[in-house]
Amino acid sequence: QVQLQESGPGLVTPSQTLSLTCTVSGGSINSGGYYWSWIRQLPGEGLEWIGYIYYTGSASYNTSLKSRLSMSVDTSKNQFSMTLRSVTAADTAVYYCARVRATRGYYHLDNWGQGTLVTVSS
Amino acid sequence: ETVLTQSPGTLSLSPGDRATLSCRASQSVSGNSLAWYQQKFGQAPRLLIYGASNRATGIPDRFSGSGSGTDFTLTITRLEPEDFAVYYCQQYDPSSRLTFGGGTRVEIK
Repeated sequence: QVQLQESGPGLVTPSQTLSLTCTVSGGSINSGGYYWSWIRQLPGEGLEWIGYIYYTGSASYNTSLKSRLSMSVDTSKNQFSMTLRSVTAADTAVYYCARVRATRGYYHLDNWGQGTLVTVSS
Repeated sequence: ETVLTQSPGTLSLSPGDRATLSCRASQSVSGNSLAWYQQKFGQAPRLLIYGASNRATGIPDRFSGSGSGTDFTLTITRLEPEDFAVYYCQQYDPSSRLTFGGGTRVEIK
């Protein structure tokens, strides 16, 4: 069973950069047919897809975040990461990493990390 | 961008009841790539249904999904105490990629 674990600072200063890493265990990030994704949940709100990346480095981003967002993958460490620049209090959320299974034209998130709360505050 | 609207916002039911949750898309969902998730307080979401009607591994058969095009339904027959949670639908399309509905809370009446 694949497991995902987020890591990164729990507190980020406004206007600075939020960086998170997801470590994948129990399976290889090189596996074809899977994308590696970030999702966030603002306090008391629903889920927002941030973006995903393939092991080759090809990425797709939510258009609302695209200008501030970048993702990368490190296959040697079985990790993928996200960087969100110029953060504000509106970026305070629980951030989840998850695996996207792409099969038969279906794209769905079949494995999730436990989530990490990131607070943007001075 | 495909917008998903879930209804009702809250469903108040008793254990043993049948729950019917709706997810309506602003345009036809590509290839019926529609999934449902369950989220309990303080936990990550859990995949229940993918491809509109396929149960994920380990999901009890009291959970079922149906629908196509723009209208989809998640049905829970005979609610168990552990089923009271928030449910989200999610779709994929080649332009906006992944989007989620706003969620339906199933609460104990």
